[in-house]
Amino acid sequence: EDKVVQSPLSLVVHEGDTVTLNCSYEVTNFRSLLWYKQEKKAPTFLFMLTSSGIEKKSGRLSSILDKKELFSILNITATQTGDSAIYLCAVGQRRMAYGQNFVFGPGTRLSVLP
Amino acid sequence: DAGVIQSPRHEVTEMGQEVTLRCKPISGHDYLFWYRQTMMRGLELLIYFNNNVPIDDSGMPEDRFSAKMPNASFSTLKIQPSEPRDSAVYFCASSASGQGANYGYTFGSGTRLTVV
Repeated sequence: EDKVVQSPLSLVVHEGDTVTLNCSYEVTNFRSLLWYKQEKKAPTFLFMLTSSGIEKKSGRLSSILDKKELFSILNITATQTGDSAIYLCAVGQRRMAYGQNFVFGPGTRLSVLP
Repeated sequence: DAGVIQSPRHEVTEMGQEVTLRCKPISGHDYLFWYRQTMMRGLELLIYFNNNVPIDDSGMPEDRFSAKMPNASFSTLKIQPSEPRDSAVYFCASSASGQGANYGYTFGSGTRLTVV
């Protein structure tokens, strides 16, 4: 059975802290791994990772994929209260002739205190 | 582009009533997905369409749930009869196929359904 596991499920930190969110997966026909940020409404796209060892960065956020060990991490440095959200990991699997289907993890709920 | 549009934003209904959720995908996207999100189970894929044709409905919980996509710009998810355990946020998402489809889904804002 395809599955995506995230840890921790919940995390409380103070502004300025650095956090590392983990995502491990067992998915057939792996194609990509995505990170989403979900605040009050719909998830918004952060990163897509397809190759091992290549870090993707966007401001204070960065992410890397290890396809051999089947995991990814999402780092947030110098956290701010606006980073408080649920961070979702989704793994894309090649199930269609083109495009892909995604299996979502349960999410990590991050709370950043002032 | 206005993105993926869902309606209604909130729905409160009594057990046993029929509920219809609506979705307008991004123009040009040929894949449409219906997800359900709860605290207990996270995001669950219910069904997805490609070029208006249902491809995989294995996530639909039971016969009370049905989904249609009569054309490329509109889809519905219907629950009849609704039950309290159907209470959740229902997301519609769309994506484009092809070799250049590298950005995952674009989600709608969701419909928060409460069945009392």
